[in-house]
Amino acid sequence: GEEVAQTPKHLVRGEGQKAKLYCAPIKGHSYVFWYQQVLKNEFKFLISFQNENVFDETGMPKERFSAKCLPNSPCSLEIQATKLEDSAVYFCASSLYRGQEQPQHFGDGTRLSIL
Amino acid sequence: AQRVTQPEKLLSVFKGAPVELKCNYSYSGSPELFWYVQYSRQRLQLLLRHISRESIKGFTADLNKGETSFHLKKPFAQEEDSAMYYCALTSGNTPLVFGKGTRLSVIA
Repeated sequence: GEEVAQTPKHLVRGEGQKAKLYCAPIKGHSYVFWYQQVLKNEFKFLISFQNENVFDETGMPKERFSAKCLPNSPCSLEIQATKLEDSAVYFCASSLYRGQEQPQHFGDGTRLSIL
Repeated sequence: AQRVTQPEKLLSVFKGAPVELKCNYSYSGSPELFWYVQYSRQRLQLLLRHISRESIKGFTADLNKGETSFHLKKPFAQEEDSAMYYCALTSGNTPLVFGKGTRLSVIA
């Protein structure tokens, strides 16, 4: 598609439950990025993919968080055993290539609320 | 470590007045700087990038390596400029590092 599509828009989970978020990058874009925004503060980088391969996962919490980008499927970000502090807006972005001349195009975000 | 600082959480200006949104960064190498904007109920979108040296919607930003700044400027603010503005940095091989954002409110 012409825009990055994130689903669902809003996800509510009880503490300890699993949460799974999806992102369809712009068609033809090779790179996908996930960011976490807590309480309207800065965007925290989580992980990036080059096609289906993890490119940079330096921002991913070591436990409970995982992500995939499989061929012919939306990318996903999964959080196991959610905690209250996981409540945030999760943004996905895609870019055509890696590099400073290529801007990242953002989705609308998924608001995750952990109760 | 890379860091982007936007010192103002909220900036209010009158329509027609000049506006300057401040952005300072810390990075030892050659950074690439961006300004992203998020209008009400819209997604985050790229406004401009320093390598393009372009003016978008009347906004310009100059990279000042001596002062490690990339302030966003517009000579005459319009009501439709009201939005959240984020300054971001990358070295090209690293993820975008964002500032905390500045909310610009243009008062009629």
